[in-house]
Amino acid sequence: QVQLVESGGGVVQPGRSLRLSCAASGFTFSTYGMHWVRQAPGKGLEWVAVISHDGTYEAYADSVKGRFTISRDNSKNTVFLQMNSLRAEDTAVYYCAKELKQLVDYWGQGTLVTVSS
Amino acid sequence: EIVMTQSPATLSVSPGERATLSCRASQSVSSSLAWYQQKPGQAPRLLIYGASTRATGIPARFSGSGSGTEFALTISSLQSEDFAVYYCQQYKNWPPWTFGQGTKVEIK
Repeated sequence: QVQLVESGGGVVQPGRSLRLSCAASGFTFSTYGMHWVRQAPGKGLEWVAVISHDGTYEAYADSVKGRFTISRDNSKNTVFLQMNSLRAEDTAVYYCAKELKQLVDYWGQGTLVTVSS
Repeated sequence: EIVMTQSPATLSVSPGERATLSCRASQSVSSSLAWYQQKPGQAPRLLIYGASTRATGIPARFSGSGSGTEFALTISSLQSEDFAVYYCQQYKNWPPWTFGQGTKVEIK
């Protein structure tokens, strides 16, 4: 079955960086696009970034453009989210999600990122 | 960017009753509309895609309808495990993929 396991969350000061990882299993990772979606405490879902199956296409929400970078390593079935210049408003649970025909069909359990001094 | 608007924000329903949730898009998304269920402390789960197709393993009491800009999710007879927050999402025009703000279905 599809499994997505995020890691790398934690408490970080404003302006610092953090790198999230998502290890995938149970499907042919290299043939699917992958997304990051976040959810601030008590709030709704916000799409963050997407990467195509082969890494040639990336897109970002305006709120993170220029600060966050999505990447993937198909040899290790892992997708990453490099987060730089973090702000208090980036505090959220970050979910890794698998795409199927532009649709998100499976989600990981999430990792919490808290940006605070 | 397509804005998704859900109503109501909260729906109070008794177990066994029918619940209907609404989702409106700011412009046509054709049938590229999904519904997700999220329980406290859990990740979202895909319920419906293509506006009306149930995802694998989703009970028949969940049904989706609509196209263009107006959509609905109906739960025909609410079970205790159905009390949760429900989100709609469009995947027609991207980026960005956009979600509604959610409808909380609570026990009346």
